[in-house]
Amino acid sequence: ETGVTQTPRHLVMGMTNKKSLKCEQHLGHNAMYWYKQSAKKPLELMFVYNFKEQTENNSVPSRFSPECPNSSHLFLHLHTLQPEDSALYLCASRPQGLAGTYNEQFFGPGTRLTVL
Amino acid sequence: KQEVTQIPAALSVPEGENLVLNCSFTDSAIYNLQWFRQDPGKGLTSLLLIQSSQREQTSGRLNASLDKSSGRSTLYIAASQPGDSATYLCAVDNTDKLIFGTGTRLQVFP
Repeated sequence: ETGVTQTPRHLVMGMTNKKSLKCEQHLGHNAMYWYKQSAKKPLELMFVYNFKEQTENNSVPSRFSPECPNSSHLFLHLHTLQPEDSALYLCASRPQGLAGTYNEQFFGPGTRLTVL
Repeated sequence: KQEVTQIPAALSVPEGENLVLNCSFTDSAIYNLQWFRQDPGKGLTSLLLIQSSQREQTSGRLNASLDKSSGRSTLYIAASQPGDSATYLCAVDNTDKLIFGTGTRLQVFP
């Protein structure tokens, strides 16, 4: 257990549904991340939040909408997804490092999403 | 654009062997490099993190080295065990952004 939890662990949704993924950490970390892992492709970063502010959007389609209400919680709101969005969605967090350094990231178990 | 490559893509070895997994990256301007383990259908477990100023890190039977100038890292696993079977991922940190390789799928058989 890394201290980063994700719910739900599995999700099946139709293309017209709206659903949300949740990530939670009580490790005192200030940065939180969403990653996507598709079959046969490298893990790719989607969004970065530092101190609740979005600092990176890696050209993610608008049908994915992140929300970070506080430093402990991160959501990914999903609407009108496509079958090719089926993947494992991973959340990560990490503590603030000293200037010029970055600490290790801690990953949650992921949400396996299937879009029909 | 930073690209990370891992060789081999898959590896199958008998228990007890020492083995080396390779990771290469194209841009040497990194903050750190991290090795992860991923079991099927699961999240990532951090194994080792090497800061850009360091040359290696060790944890138990694992030793990771970093040669930033040549854009290479290796993960050495000593005396492999069936429980080491998993996919091993390396990732370089480019300004708060982890760039991952495609991984090496390791199987250790008894």
